[in-house]
Amino acid sequence: RKEVEQDPGPFNVPEGATVAFNCTYSNSASQSFFWYRQDCRKEPKLLMSVYSSGNEDGRFTAQLNRASQYISLLIRDSKLSDSATYLCAVNVRYSSASKIIFGSGTRLSIRP
Amino acid sequence: DAGITQSPRHKVTETGTPVTLRCHQTENHRYMYWYRQDPGHGLRLIHYSYGVKDTDKGEVSDGYSVSRSKTEDFLLTLESATSSQTSVYFCAISERAYEQYFGPGTRLTVT
Repeated sequence: RKEVEQDPGPFNVPEGATVAFNCTYSNSASQSFFWYRQDCRKEPKLLMSVYSSGNEDGRFTAQLNRASQYISLLIRDSKLSDSATYLCAVNVRYSSASKIIFGSGTRLSIRP
Repeated sequence: DAGITQSPRHKVTETGTPVTLRCHQTENHRYMYWYRQDPGHGLRLIHYSYGVKDTDKGEVSDGYSVSRSKTEDFLLTLESATSSQTSVYFCAISERAYEQYFGPGTRLTVT
């Protein structure tokens, strides 16, 4: 089982729709969680950090469910410019250091 | 945007040749990372550094070595490139080993 798993999609939704992605993680000791956005042939860019019970930034809301070990990203009133791949990332603590493990990403396509 | 550059941005090389990729940062961040990204695998950590001359292996380190002689530079070397190392390589930096900021990537093709 992968340490961080995402539905690869693609999600194809109309402009203005609300869309949600989930990301599950296997290490219950994980402390920090992140969502990144990656446009085609570009580098990942940090979208949101997810701490404690979650947070909101404009149209984007991230939630953390520690009991079920997943994080979610909700995008409201989606725009054409939201089309991208969304990567979740989880901080995992090993014996010598902590590392960020990335999911494989969920592709989102917004249609007019 | 964080000040991270990677060079070269594109490279085509032949099997068996050595290749060095460079990551340069102007943020004075402590941590630096090398990832490779392949379809179906997402981002996989190759090596990382937690200070000058302090490096450690990631999950896919075989065939790669790194060096960090200055805070701002982190080099990734493929001693003898193989076709399986054809990939997009991203460098990332972070201050607290949490939020990471990525460079623009290097597309490497090994023929």
